[in-house]
Amino acid sequence: GAVVSQHPSWVICKSGTSVKIECRSLDFQATTMFWYRQFPKQSLMLMATSNEGSKATYEQGVEKDKFLINHASLTLSTLTVTSAHPEDSSFYICSATTGWGAYTGELFFGEGSRLTVL
Amino acid sequence: GQQLNQSPQSMFIQEGEDVSMNCTSSSIFNTWLWYKQEPGEGPVLLIALYKAGELTSNGRLTAQFGITRKDSFLNISASIPSDVGIYFCAGRGGGSNYKLTFGKGTLLTVNP
Repeated sequence: GAVVSQHPSWVICKSGTSVKIECRSLDFQATTMFWYRQFPKQSLMLMATSNEGSKATYEQGVEKDKFLINHASLTLSTLTVTSAHPEDSSFYICSATTGWGAYTGELFFGEGSRLTVL
Repeated sequence: GQQLNQSPQSMFIQEGEDVSMNCTSSSIFNTWLWYKQEPGEGPVLLIALYKAGELTSNGRLTAQFGITRKDSFLNISASIPSDVGIYFCAGRGGGSNYKLTFGKGTLLTVNP
């Protein structure tokens, strides 16, 4: 299957700082990328959907000014957690797909990024 | 919105036993997917189902898309220790709603 890579895999930061997480599709062009958040022992919660070259669509309850998403190219999307607080600590996972994959649901997930805010 | 009920929440089995887990939905789905997630990793797609009644196998794994389009099950035969992980079902509705809804997961533990 297709390869999606996230970086960093884990990050620890101080409260009030901003953290950027990158999601790259390594062997295909991803027209659509999704960002998920996962708390321990819980399922994946969709945060936002981003299409290359356009603004991200955020799910209800997700602060777009808090979680900045940029999908500047067909192989890269970034999630920036601004002014991070301890409650933002979580496992963030991206997924990517081609246009057709968005409709078949065949998403390819990155390895995830563990964020810990002190 | 759409909700998925996945059961059981967890399973503890002996190596060699068969495993069955299922998901039910409050609404109709056009696609059912089964993923496996290991600790600290992202989910990996195991099986994708696109038609009601479809039965698909991937090695020791078998999944079916329910006739009502509101349920799906995943079976694992002759379990081995490396089957340990969290298994998630995910469904996608129709029309322009391409978003996936995930079940809460089934934690599988296999005792050697």
